[in-house]
Amino acid sequence: DTEVTQTPKHLVMGMTNKKSLKCEQHMGHRAMYWYKQKAKKPPELMFVYSYEKLSINESVPSRFSPECPNSSLLNLHLHALQPEDSALYLCASSQGQRQHFGDGTRLSIL
Amino acid sequence: GESVGLHLPTLSVQEGDNSIINCAYSNSASDYFIWYKQESGKGPQFIIDIRSNMDKRQGQRVTVLLNKTVKHLSLQIAATQPGDSAVYFCAEYALGTGFQKLVFGTGTRLLVSP
Repeated sequence: DTEVTQTPKHLVMGMTNKKSLKCEQHMGHRAMYWYKQKAKKPPELMFVYSYEKLSINESVPSRFSPECPNSSLLNLHLHALQPEDSALYLCASSQGQRQHFGDGTRLSIL
Repeated sequence: GESVGLHLPTLSVQEGDNSIINCAYSNSASDYFIWYKQESGKGPQFIIDIRSNMDKRQGQRVTVLLNKTVKHLSLQIAATQPGDSAVYFCAEYALGTGFQKLVFGTGTRLLVSP
């Protein structure tokens, strides 16, 4: 079992919906990450939080809005997504360079 | 069997064979490298890592080799088992615009038949 927990595992939403992805870790890691992974492709970095502050935004469209309420939780708020946003969204955490990944949320946009 | 990750995305081996998965990285300044295994429906799982001041590191049934001269990384899996079937990614810590980030290679699918 992974030590990074993501919910929900699957999400189907329309282009006008608002939803949130959640990620939780209890390893005491102070860096948390969101990645996007399309089918048969490697994960691509979206956001990095370090000590609960956003430190990296890889030019992600504003329809994706990250939030880090505390050191254990990371959210990704979704609004007005496009069909091309359908993908596996992975959360990771680290203390140092080794990143630990959750099993992702499989997102489908109708 | 041997695979170059960028040119041969699928490696098929028989159970019990040794597998070698190769990866070319781009940034000569990268100082840390990781191999991840990703099974269907799961997130990437850490296998082994290596720092740039080393050229070899061994784990349980796995060995990572680093050749900085040609910017090449390989993962060797001994006595490959059906449970090793997955996509394997190499990843490097590369310098972005003022920060370091983990950059994944394109991946190699390993298929192990009984």
